[in-house]
Amino acid sequence: NAGVMQNPRHLVRRRGQEARLRCSPMKGHSHVYWYRQLPEEGLKFMVYLQKENIIDESGMPKERFSAEFPKEGPSILRIQQVVRGDSAAYFCASSPLAYGSGTGSYEQYFGPGTRLTVT
Amino acid sequence: AQTVTQSQPEMSVQEAETVTLSCTYDTSENNYYLFWYKQPPSRQMILVIRQEAYKQQNATENRFSVNFQKAAKSFSLKISDSQLGDTAMYFCAFMKQNNNDMRFGAGTRLTVKP
Repeated sequence: NAGVMQNPRHLVRRRGQEARLRCSPMKGHSHVYWYRQLPEEGLKFMVYLQKENIIDESGMPKERFSAEFPKEGPSILRIQQVVRGDSAAYFCASSPLAYGSGTGSYEQYFGPGTRLTVT
Repeated sequence: AQTVTQSQPEMSVQEAETVTLSCTYDTSENNYYLFWYKQPPSRQMILVIRQEAYKQQNATENRFSVNFQKAAKSFSLKISDSQLGDTAMYFCAFMKQNNNDMRFGAGTRLTVKP
């Protein structure tokens, strides 16, 4: 059973370009979470999605950032018109069920992350 | 809002010794989950141990155990018989029951010395 897959692992963009980060959850997982990690800091929650639905985007910047999890295919985190402050590691996690719905079902499994560098 | 504090930015321990990493959190919730994650140089986030707040018994996973003090809102991680492969950043995390965002502390960088 493959783990959470993220690609690319490293992404370099110039200021003003768009960055698209992809996340394929573990097989059987329908809940996806995106986190951002700035250097020397812990992970910060950005958004929680289920298939075709954004459930909680309270951690997402209001502008330039968007996320989707289509019926088919990976979840996408899109950053438009990137700026240097967007440089960070972006982690995706998935879980099989929603929190509180069963023993162990709330556990989040993390992908290897995408390191975005904006030049 | 929930906050998670890890007061030790860096720690070191000799191989085979025991080390304890501190974590405190602030919440008004009664039901929640606590986690310790390990992030080695590969940057992969690896779940080390988890604790449900309603359980009084401290969680253990092989060489890893926690000291969960609910009243004090403290959740420390003890690593016994430290191994070189334990060298990593360790993050404490909090999550409310029936919520979806996990709050992480700033991390503790642990170095195991041979």
